[in-house]
Amino acid sequence: DVKVTQSSRYLVKRTGEKVFLECVQDMDHENMFWYRQDPGLGLRLIYFSYDVKMKEKGDIPEGYSVSREKKERFSLILESASTNQTSMYLCASSLSTRTGGVDIQYFGAGTRLSVL
Amino acid sequence: AQTVTQSQPEMSVQEAETVTLSCTYDTSENNYYLFWYKQPPSRQMILVIRQEAYKQQNATENRFSVNFQKAAKSFSLKISDSQLGDTAMYFCAFMKHFGNEKLTFGTGTRLTIIP
Repeated sequence: DVKVTQSSRYLVKRTGEKVFLECVQDMDHENMFWYRQDPGLGLRLIYFSYDVKMKEKGDIPEGYSVSREKKERFSLILESASTNQTSMYLCASSLSTRTGGVDIQYFGAGTRLSVL
Repeated sequence: AQTVTQSQPEMSVQEAETVTLSCTYDTSENNYYLFWYKQPPSRQMILVIRQEAYKQQNATENRFSVNFQKAAKSFSLKISDSQLGDTAMYFCAFMKHFGNEKLTFGTGTRLTIIP
C-alpha cells in the first residue's frame, strides 16, 4: 500500500520559532509536494521537488523553504514562524511520468500547525 | 495559468440520493487531466476519479461518475446512491499533460450526507 507519513498531526509553535515539518514516502516516488490548506482557499502549492536536492517554488513560497536530501524525505521549514502561517499542511508524492501518462498524487494525513 | 472554480462551498443530501458537485476550470492547454479528490473528516485525501481530456468518454468508478464537457470547461462529479461515508470535502483539480506535474486545486465543496 502507498504510504505518505507526516511526522506530526498537530503542532503548536511560538512566533519567531524555526519549525520543521517532515514528510516521508515509501513508494520510491520522484516527486514530492508541500501544500497549505485553508478554508475557502483550497490547497495551494508551497514548494515541490522532482528529485533529490532539487526544488521548485510553487504558488506561495514566501516564508518557507524546503530540503530534500534523500529521495524518501521532504522537509518544509518555516524559518521564523508567524501567526499567518497557522494552517493545515499537506505533503504529497507522485511517480514521475515525464513521458506522459497520469501522475496520481498520494497525500499524507496533514499537520495542523498553530503559531501563537 | 490555470484556475479551478468550485462554486458550491457546501452541500447536503439525504442518504441514498444522488448528488452532483460542480467544477469549472480555465486553461489554454489542449491536453490535461482532471481529478476529483475526497478528504474525509480528519482523514487523508484520496483520489476519487480522474479524466484524461483527450478521452471523450466520461470516467466512472462504481457509484462515482463525471460529466466532462471540454468545450464548456466543466467537470462535474455525480455520486449515486450516496452513503454516510461519502461525507467529506471534495476537491476538483487540474494537471497539465506534459512536463508539469503540479496540481491546481479548487476551493472545495463540503458534502454532508444526512441519515
